[in-house]
Amino acid sequence: GNSVTQMEGPVTLSEEAFLTINCTYTATGYPSLFWYVQYPGEGLQLLLKATKADDKGSNKGFEATYRKETTSFHLEKGSVQVSDSAVYFCALSDQDGNKPGNNRKLIWGLGTSLAVNP
Amino acid sequence: DAGVTQSPTHLIKTRGQHVTLRCSPISGHKSVSWYQQVLGQGPQFIFQYYEKEERGRGNFPDRFSARQFPNYSSELNVNALLLGDSALYLCASSLRTSGRSDTQYFGPGTRLTVL
Repeated sequence: GNSVTQMEGPVTLSEEAFLTINCTYTATGYPSLFWYVQYPGEGLQLLLKATKADDKGSNKGFEATYRKETTSFHLEKGSVQVSDSAVYFCALSDQDGNKPGNNRKLIWGLGTSLAVNP
Repeated sequence: DAGVTQSPTHLIKTRGQHVTLRCSPISGHKSVSWYQQVLGQGPQFIFQYYEKEERGRGNFPDRFSARQFPNYSSELNVNALLLGDSALYLCASSLRTSGRSDTQYFGPGTRLTVL
């Protein structure tokens, strides 16, 4: 079945450092790819998304490019801030073509905890 | 516009009891999905509803059930609670279920603790 693999955390960086969080996926068909962020004590917030190969999603200085050839969707940011400390989840939208309505559920990685020190 | 709202925020139950969790989607969204997030893990899909019909079900026992109302709000019910049901239950809403660009927006979750 479809799956998402993220690099294990925790990741600890100093403020203004470069961030990469690796995400690879296994999927049949053509999933959409997402990065969600979960700040301490809060729910999940959509960070960025890409719906087809070579699309680049971007938001708040974060970027990720949908690479079909390497089945990857790595998250990057050029200069992290203390306020970026959170858990980051990579997810793919899995379409079940055999079910009525072709519902799409999200399949998630385990999450990567990021701590940014001042 | 208000985002996805869930109630209650926290809940403590004992084994064997049942629980009802509630979710109101973003205005105009017709699809609601439920996920279970155990501490330290990614969310696991439980159910998806669209236009009051179940459109998807994850690998959860029959103790878990849900429904969607005419105003598109939803309830998740869990019977005969087990310790392992302790988790953050997340509700997400989206415009529909099948669009490639359709995005799920999440509520803050309900933290369920089973003692």
